This record gives sequence, C-alpha cells and structure tokens, in this order.
Amino acid sequence: ELKVEQNPLFLSMQEGKNYTIYCNYSTTSDRLYWYRQDPGKSLESLFVLLSNGAVKQEGRLMASLDTKARLSTLHITAAVHDLSATYFCAVDKGSGDKLTFGTGTRLAVRP
Amino acid sequence: KAGVTQTPRYLIKTRGQQVTLSCSPISGHRSVSWYQQTPGQGLQFLFEYFSETQRNKGNFPGRFSGRQFSNSRSEMNVSTLELGDSALYLCASSGNTDTQYFGPGTRLTVL
Repeated sequence: ELKVEQNPLFLSMQEGKNYTIYCNYSTTSDRLYWYRQDPGKSLESLFVLLSNGAVKQEGRLMASLDTKARLSTLHITAAVHDLSATYFCAVDKGSGDKLTFGTGTRLAVRP
Repeated sequence: KAGVTQTPRYLIKTRGQQVTLSCSPISGHRSVSWYQQTPGQGLQFLFEYFSETQRNKGNFPGRFSGRQFSNSRSEMNVSTLELGDSALYLCASSGNTDTQYFGPGTRLTVL
C-alpha cells in the first residue's frame, strides 16, 4: 500500500525567511502533486511533477522531485503572510489511479 | 472555463438518514473522483468514475456508493449515516492531463 509522509506537520515561520517541506512516499511513482488548502476551502493545484529531477517554480514556491529517493520538496523563499495555508503532497501510480495524500503541513507565516 | 461545482455546500443530517451529494466536473473532463476529508483521517479516496464506470474504489463500507451520468456529472450516496461520516466531501475532475481539479466541497454534519 502506497504511503505518503510529510514533515513537518506544522511550521511557524517569520516573514522573509526560507524553509522546506518534505514529502516521502513508499513505492515507485513518477507522479507527484502539490496542493494548497486555505481554512474551510477546497484544494488548489500548485504543481505537478512527472519525472525524476523535475523542478517547478511559481512565485515564492519551488517544488522538486527525486524519484530515486522517493522524495519531493516544496521550498518557500522569503515567506509572506499570504502563503499561510495547509500544503498537501499527493502521489498516484498512473492515469486513473487514486491520489494518496500526505498528512499535510500547516504553514503559519508571522510578521 | 468553469470549475468543478458541488451541491449542496452544507448539509446537516441525523444518524440513520441517507444523503446524496452532487458533483459537476469541468467541461470536457470525463473522470470524477470523490474524497473524504476529516481531521483524524485526513484525505481519503472514496471512488473514481470514468465514462459512467467505476474504475477504482477506496476502503469504505458499502454504505458509500456513487454513480456517474452520461454528461459526466456524478453523485455519491451515503446510506444509514453515522456520526463518523461527518466530513468535508471533495469531488475532483480530471481530463487529458490527469491533474485532478477539486471542487469547493460539501460539508456534511451528522447529528
């Protein structure tokens, strides 16, 4: 059974600082997704990583994928309050497969 | 393009009742998946439909069922509601890119 682990579960960071969220998964998969969820809201797709070494960037967020290590990272650069949300990584094994989600990382950016 | 829509957005039911939730996917998307989100269990896959056929099913009891219509709209039904069924139910649709786009969710409260 595919398992996805994220750490940390909770991250409180100061504005302007950098930090990384880690996502490990247990079995071979070349497809990894990052989503953002604001309180009481749905999931917003951030990144889709489909191959080893894939790196994608949007604003202050950058995601990467190492399929050999079964590891993805979401790096936050110079955090701002608007980035406060819960971030989920999710993995599937191919087209039509279900998404298996990590536990989520709740990010709080303080002034 | 209009996003995924779900109705109703909020629902309050009592134990033993049944409930039907509806999901309209993004136009052109033929795959619809359902997920349950609770604070304790996180995001868990319920089932996935493609062209009116259930392709995948998660580990939920038979009280949870679904269907998809020829226009790709989907419904899920929960019979004999239990307190533990209180959750945010999220529907997601995907097209050729396989990225799943989530609707706003239906928040179900069982009293």
